Amino acid sequence: EAGVTQSPRYAVLQEGQAVSFWCDPISGHDTLYWYQQPRDQGPQLLVYFRDEAVIDNSQLPSDRFSAVRPKGTNSTLKIQSAKQGDTATYLCASSFWGAQDTQYFGPGTRLLVL
Amino acid sequence: GEQVEQRPPHLSVPEGDSAVIICTYTDSATAYFYWYKQEPGAGLQLLMSVFSNVDRKEEQGLTVLLNKKDKQLSLNLTAAHPGDSAVYFCAVRSSSGSWQLIFGSGTQLTVMP
Repeated sequence: EAGVTQSPRYAVLQEGQAVSFWCDPISGHDTLYWYQQPRDQGPQLLVYFRDEAVIDNSQLPSDRFSAVRPKGTNSTLKIQSAKQGDTATYLCASSFWGAQDTQYFGPGTRLLVL
Repeated sequence: GEQVEQRPPHLSVPEGDSAVIICTYTDSATAYFYWYKQEPGAGLQLLMSVFSNVDRKEEQGLTVLLNKKDKQLSLNLTAAHPGDSAVYFCAVRSSSGSWQLIFGSGTQLTVMP
């Protein structure tokens, strides 16, 4: 069974540019998470969905970040005007809905903002 | 909110020795515990998950201990080999409220041949 896939794997931007990250979760997983992992730190949740609905986006910088999952399968995370502080790896994870269900992670997208 | 402290940040052991990583959490409602491994340029690979009704779990050379009284979770790699070299993260999740994983800051393990 295929795991979580993400693209692109790497992105390099100048400040002020926009970028989108794409995630394809494990088939059948209704819950999808986006995490930001700064260098040498643990991942921190940005937003998560159940099907197409946003469950929690309280940690998403809403002025520049947005995330959608329109059909309840693939998801896109977009940064409108990137800043150097956005430099990090962006990880997507998926699971079945349920507090006890394990999250499985994709390989991540490494973003460098110059 | 929940906070997780992980130590040590760096750990070097000779091949064949044990390596122990410890996490301390703050929320007594925490019910789900995970250990992940991250190799360079890769995502997080699940090593083991433990629920709060378990004190000890062993799988394939890994031992996870959960001490709920002290709110401490540990990972013991017995007989480490160079392929175990990676960054290891603990993560915890509450049984109520938000289901986000709260991660430790990671431990860079180096196993020397």
